[in-house]
Amino acid sequence: ETGVTQSPTHLIKTRGQQVTLRCSSQSGHNTVSWYQQALGQGPQFIFQYYREEENGRGNFPPRFSGLQFPNYSSELNVNALELDDSALYLCASSGRARTDTQYFGPGTRLTVL
Amino acid sequence: AQTVTQSQPEMSVQEAETVTLSCTYDTSESDYYLFWYKQPPSRQMILVIRQEAYKQQNATENRFSVNFQKAAKSFSLKISDSQLGDAAMYFCAYRRGGTSYGKLTFGQGTILTVHP
Repeated sequence: ETGVTQSPTHLIKTRGQQVTLRCSSQSGHNTVSWYQQALGQGPQFIFQYYREEENGRGNFPPRFSGLQFPNYSSELNVNALELDDSALYLCASSGRARTDTQYFGPGTRLTVL
Repeated sequence: AQTVTQSQPEMSVQEAETVTLSCTYDTSESDYYLFWYKQPPSRQMILVIRQEAYKQQNATENRFSVNFQKAAKSFSLKISDSQLGDAAMYFCAYRRGGTSYGKLTFGQGTILTVHP
């Protein structure tokens, strides 16, 4: 069974640029959630995707957008990067059953200069 | 809105001893799940244990157990026979029930140090 994978591991961008982060869900999982974790803080929910549609969103501006593909992998796109976007971005996948738990990938560390 | 509070920013324990990490939450829901996740320096968030609110019995996973007090909205994690590999940031998290999906709401985390 393959776990959740994310790419890239690290990324450095400058303010105003755009970035795309990628996530492959665990085998058998069809739901992907994205979280932002600032240094020393708990993760904050960005949004969730199920069957290629956004299925819930946290308190993040529209410049944070995403996609889910037919193979359930997902992308997180952030436009017009700001310094405060520097964080660890975590992807979690889960099944659809009531008892399913979210399992996390290793994260992408984004630094905005 | 649901909130999760971890009031201990840092805790320490001697190897082989027992430590308890505290978590309180606030919700008006009756159906929900609670989780403890561990995040070592490698950054990967690892599920430690989970509790369904409708179950009265406290969850246990080997050396890890919880004390779930639903009326008090308290959910503490006990680690027995602590090992060096237990050193990490621990997060308490809440997820609304009723549906299988939905966001996790995390606490601020507790850094656990294990002394040899």
